[in-house]
Amino acid sequence: GAVVSQHPSWVICKSGTSVKIECRSLDFQATTMFWYRQFPKQSLMLMATSNEGSKATYEQGVEKDKFLINHASLTLSTLTVTSAHPEDSSFYICSRRAAETYGYTFGSGTRLTVV
Amino acid sequence: RKEVEQDPGPFNVPEGATVAFNCTYSNSASQSFFWYRQDCRKEPKLLMSVYSSGNEDGRFTAQLNRASQYISLLIRDSKLSDSATYLCVVNNNQGGKLIFGQGTELSVKP
Repeated sequence: GAVVSQHPSWVICKSGTSVKIECRSLDFQATTMFWYRQFPKQSLMLMATSNEGSKATYEQGVEKDKFLINHASLTLSTLTVTSAHPEDSSFYICSRRAAETYGYTFGSGTRLTVV
Repeated sequence: RKEVEQDPGPFNVPEGATVAFNCTYSNSASQSFFWYRQDCRKEPKLLMSVYSSGNEDGRFTAQLNRASQYISLLIRDSKLSDSATYLCVVNNNQGGKLIFGQGTELSVKP
């Protein structure tokens, strides 16, 4: 079964509303988790690094006040897209390091559509 | 220049064909290298890590050339189920950040 659970899988919201996406590490505690965004036909772009108990680290060009990240526990990180606009429509994916390998495990992603 | 660059796709091949994907990375300090597979509208899944000595997993062989900053993936005897987008991924060890290539789409036809 999935070791990184992401919810919801898809969401449609009206422009101007906020959407919260949850990412849970199910098999072990994760002090660091990562949030990516993927537009159609493009690759994944790291948005921010979520750090348990401290502020997230945002990549250049990502608005921290628009994409709020909370990593309040060792198993849960949330991304809130505030005042969503149609251009925020994208595939949002979280990840953390894999347990057994040097790779990373991804959540199943959230497809956000803002209308 | 992009940090990780891959062959442009799509690659359309018949079943049983051998197909090779190439990837170059710009940061010589890069530490870890991976190939991920992404199916349409799904999350990426680790296909294999890439080691300096080269490594093989069944029909899949990955090679790394640090001097040339080049990574490859070879798929032998391709199956219909191999159809997906293959992502070259590099970890620069800067807090665990992964840098993704744009992906190469593979379509295996009967």
